[in-house]
Amino acid sequence: DAGVIQSPRHEVTEMGQEVTLRCKPISGHNSLFWYRQTMMRGLELLIYFNNNVPIDDSGMPEDRFSAKMPNASFSTLKIQPSEPRDSAVYFCASQMLAHEQYFGPGTRLTVT
Amino acid sequence: DQQVKQNSPSLSVQEGRISILNCDYTNSMFDYFLWYKKYPAEGPTFLISISSIKDKNEDGRFTVFLNKSAKHLSLHIVPSQPGDSAVYFCAASLSGSARQLTFGSGTQLTVLP
Repeated sequence: DAGVIQSPRHEVTEMGQEVTLRCKPISGHNSLFWYRQTMMRGLELLIYFNNNVPIDDSGMPEDRFSAKMPNASFSTLKIQPSEPRDSAVYFCASQMLAHEQYFGPGTRLTVT
Repeated sequence: DQQVKQNSPSLSVQEGRISILNCDYTNSMFDYFLWYKKYPAEGPTFLISISSIKDKNEDGRFTVFLNKSAKHLSLHIVPSQPGDSAVYFCAASLSGSARQLTFGSGTQLTVLP
């Protein structure tokens, strides 16, 4: 298995632009999680899906952030418009039932 | 309010010795605990876990101890190897069909050759 796949690995964009991060979970996993890692706040959960349905989005910082999971093999995290304070590493993780989560390699986002 | 705390941001240990990483939690409802290891430019990798019904779980060089009364868990690595140098995160979760994890801030372990 290829593991959790995220794209792009690096994204540099200007303030105000739309950013879309992509994630392909491990096949057969039924839960998907989006995290953000910053120096100040560490690893924080943004949103998670169970069987493609958003369950808890209380970690999404603002309305500028949105996430979708149109099917079991794909999810997106969109930031529109982006701001410099959104600069961070964004991780996607997937999970089968109630077992451990498997993380992707992350997307390093820089907003200038 | 940090529900999972790792109070030591860094730890240095000599190769061959024991590494002990500590973690404290405040929510007594947490029933499952995990340790993840993270290398630079990679995502966290699952290392070992323990259910709240146990007080010890061992996997090779890695052992996790859970003290529920003290709300404390620790990860022991014996013997430590230079390849163990990484950031270690502890995480805790509640029962449920999807285990939502609450992470500590991480401890940078450096194993000196």
